[in-house]
Amino acid sequence: DGGITQSPKYLFRKEGQNVTLSCEQNLNHDAMYWYRQDPGQGLRLIYYSQIVNDFQKGDIAEGYSVSREKKESFPLTVTSAQKNPTAFYLCASSMPQGYSNQPQHFGDGTRLSIL
Amino acid sequence: AQKVTQAQTEISVVEKEDVTLDCVYETRDTTYYLFWYKQPPSGELVFLIRRNSFDEQNEISGRYSWNFQKSTSSFNFTITASQVVDSAVYFCALSEIYGRGSSNTGKLIFGQGTTLQVKP
Repeated sequence: DGGITQSPKYLFRKEGQNVTLSCEQNLNHDAMYWYRQDPGQGLRLIYYSQIVNDFQKGDIAEGYSVSREKKESFPLTVTSAQKNPTAFYLCASSMPQGYSNQPQHFGDGTRLSIL
Repeated sequence: AQKVTQAQTEISVVEKEDVTLDCVYETRDTTYYLFWYKQPPSGELVFLIRRNSFDEQNEISGRYSWNFQKSTSSFNFTITASQVVDSAVYFCALSEIYGRGSSNTGKLIFGQGTTLQVKP
């Protein structure tokens, strides 16, 4: 079945530690996105990538880093510089086709908490 | 700047009632897309509908219907005869048109979400 796989489902971070959230898709999508969701709030864009080896900052990129070495994978690292990392993280992908925005498909999310 | 407002934070209805979720958006673009997503308790976002700014026809899909009014910048979502399984958080989102200029990315601007609780 095609889809987006995020792992782990739950993650705990110690102070001063970097942690990496995995996002893999087998939908052959070019574009991938990372969003952060806080309680009672909508999703906010952290980083996005429209093509392999290229990515752009979103609205709240500080304290995060990404890589896009393969089309299928877009891992997100939450660095120690992110002082309030506790949130629900969602990865998405889409296949832009010309002027026709295709819907973004989302993974099941990773819930990150501070120990 | 682009913005999406879902003024209703929480709505509670009894099963079989109709319910409308409001969505108001702001954009300077003349062409754009609007979306609705459902987030059940499990967390993933489920795509419900996409509407482009040129198409103001209302759409119906089973118990779901959408009313797009460009004049009031609104894209409201109605569930008819609600069911307990409709309980979820619903997000309205706005997107630039991908591909038209290097600044257009297809990224979504989300509203704050409306939590719908349908009681039996």
